[in-house]
Amino acid sequence: AQKVTQAQTEISVVEKEDVTLDCVYETRDTTYYLFWYKQPPSGELVFLIRRNSFDEQNEISGRYSWNFQKSTSSFNFTITASQVVDSAVYFCALLEANRDDKIIFGKGTRLHILP
Amino acid sequence: DGGITQSPKYLFRKEGQNVTLSCEQNLNHDAMYWYRQDPGQGLRLIYYSQIVNDFQKGDIAEGYSVSREKKESFPLTVTSAQKNPTAFYLCASSRDNRGGQPQHFGDGTRLSIL
Repeated sequence: AQKVTQAQTEISVVEKEDVTLDCVYETRDTTYYLFWYKQPPSGELVFLIRRNSFDEQNEISGRYSWNFQKSTSSFNFTITASQVVDSAVYFCALLEANRDDKIIFGKGTRLHILP
Repeated sequence: DGGITQSPKYLFRKEGQNVTLSCEQNLNHDAMYWYRQDPGQGLRLIYYSQIVNDFQKGDIAEGYSVSREKKESFPLTVTSAQKNPTAFYLCASSRDNRGGQPQHFGDGTRLSIL
């Protein structure tokens, strides 16, 4: 069965610190997609990144970076030099290729960046 | 600008009343979705539609109904059969349901019981 676990319910860090949000997934498929979304206090989910299961290359986008490791079924998200505007709930999600209709979301990690 | 518009932002329902949440997109996306979000629960899929005039139940469809008469519109009705409707409702769309397309979300509707 497919599953996404975000073990960190809530994290608080001081501004300018680095922070890593963990995501562990379960799937029996060999082809799947992983996503990260950000939900600021305003409520909408903002798409951040998509990776497919055949591309384990890590990705960096400004202060954001993602580490995808199939060996540990993890897709972790790191924010470098955090800022107050990074405060939000972050969701990791899984979509199996043979179940194109349903994305499975983790329960989210609430990140507080303290000034 | 292209996007997804949900209305109203806040909605109150009386006991025994049906209410309808609106979702409109101008992204020309084929697939549309409704999710319910409860505190600490993540997102749960209510209904989804891959094409006009077709839709499927998600994980928690009981007490809800939808229609997809137009590509750009996917309204959700919360019926009186839904005994615990208080939640944050999010509508999403994606280009299609193949190839791991990301879903794009609206701003949500917060529904409360009077």
